[in-house]
Amino acid sequence: DQQVKQNSPSLSVQEGRISILNCDYTNSMFDYFLWYKKYPAEGPTFLISISSIKDKNEDGRFTVFLNKSAKHLSLHIVPSQPGDSAVYFCAAPGGGAGSNYKLTFGKGTLLTVNP
Amino acid sequence: NAGVTQTPKFRILKIGQSMTLQCAQDMNHNYMYWYRQDPGMGLKLIYYSVGAGITDKGEVPNGYNVSRSTTEDFPLRLELAAPSQTSVYFCASSGQGPRAFFGQGTRLTVV
Repeated sequence: DQQVKQNSPSLSVQEGRISILNCDYTNSMFDYFLWYKKYPAEGPTFLISISSIKDKNEDGRFTVFLNKSAKHLSLHIVPSQPGDSAVYFCAAPGGGAGSNYKLTFGKGTLLTVNP
Repeated sequence: NAGVTQTPKFRILKIGQSMTLQCAQDMNHNYMYWYRQDPGMGLKLIYYSVGAGITDKGEVPNGYNVSRSTTEDFPLRLELAAPSQTSVYFCASSGQGPRAFFGQGTRLTVV
């Protein structure tokens, strides 16, 4: 029962172009979403988040869009840079009994930005 | 400001051996978590704690134990290592909000 889905294992884009990473969720109770970035041999680091009361949140080159009716969110990176090459995880808190803060993660998308 | 510190970074265990993965945070966070990441998979929650003295199972708790005697420390214990426990383990913590801060990970191989 995968409550957070990232259906694209990998994505390759040219430097300067837009990168769009997608995430779908099945649990209607999710009301907050986070994106994490992970480099090899490092822990995930927080990138950007969005509350369900918004449909867009922007932070510099990174924008997250939320479509609640479609249970879909996307992360846009413009312009993409080689240093953005990493695995990106979509996550949502909750998704079961217990702490509402525990995060449920998607499987991740490996982004490669080519110079 | 160290954040979340995990030790060791790498470890090779033989089947049946035991070990403890250490995790410490200096942010005075109440919530702490242990995740494992297998190749091509997301992070799966093993155990979590909402405060000192309180722990609960996550999605994949079998073969592991935890304790939380202080706010700062949240060790993960493997009692009888099995090849299926070969993975990368991440400890994380969060305060007032769902944003979690992660350690650098422990890469464990069971042979």
